[in-house]
Amino acid sequence: EAGVVQSPRYKIIEKKQPVAFWCNPISGHNTLYWYLQNLGQGPELLIRYENEEAVDDSQLPKDRFSAERLKGVDSTLKIQPAELGDSAVYLCASSLGTGELFFGEGSRLTVL
Amino acid sequence: QKEVEQDPGPLSVPEGAIVSLNCTYSNSAFQYFMWYRQYSRKGPELLMYTYSSGNKEDGRFTAQVDKSSKYISLFIRDSQPSDSATYLCAMSGGAQKLVFGQGTRLTINP
Repeated sequence: EAGVVQSPRYKIIEKKQPVAFWCNPISGHNTLYWYLQNLGQGPELLIRYENEEAVDDSQLPKDRFSAERLKGVDSTLKIQPAELGDSAVYLCASSLGTGELFFGEGSRLTVL
Repeated sequence: QKEVEQDPGPLSVPEGAIVSLNCTYSNSAFQYFMWYRQYSRKGPELLMYTYSSGNKEDGRFTAQVDKSSKYISLFIRDSQPSDSATYLCAMSGGAQKLVFGQGTRLTINP
């Protein structure tokens, strides 16, 4: 069974440019998460989806970040415009709703 | 104060040693406790999952939860160089909102 797939794995952009990350969760997993992981820190939740509904986006900086999960499967996380402090790893995870999360390998963003 | 505190290390031990990793937490509503292992430039992978207090063993790994002290531990017996990674504790109160510790970077020296 395929795991959580994320792309791109690495992205380097200039500040003020837009960037988007894509996530394909494990088939059948109705819960999808986007986490932010800074260097030397644990993951921090940005947004959690139950099917198509964003049920927890309290930590998502909505002035520049947006996310969507069309048809309750794939998800996209967008940053526009990117700032230097956005350099981090963006992790996508999915679960069956049991609390056991399965993570992708992450998308590493560098903002110059 | 963070909800979950974890010593970032780094921790370096010889091969074959017993490793003890720990986290403390402040939220008494936490009931689900997990340990994730994260290799460099990879996503975290679930290692151990326990509910409420008690012990759980899986091969060389033992997870302990002491809710009265708000303290959880992961023990690794007969540590191997392949165990070198960052270990993240995580916990939730049942609403699937997982809160992670900072992670402890562990190196097992051959």
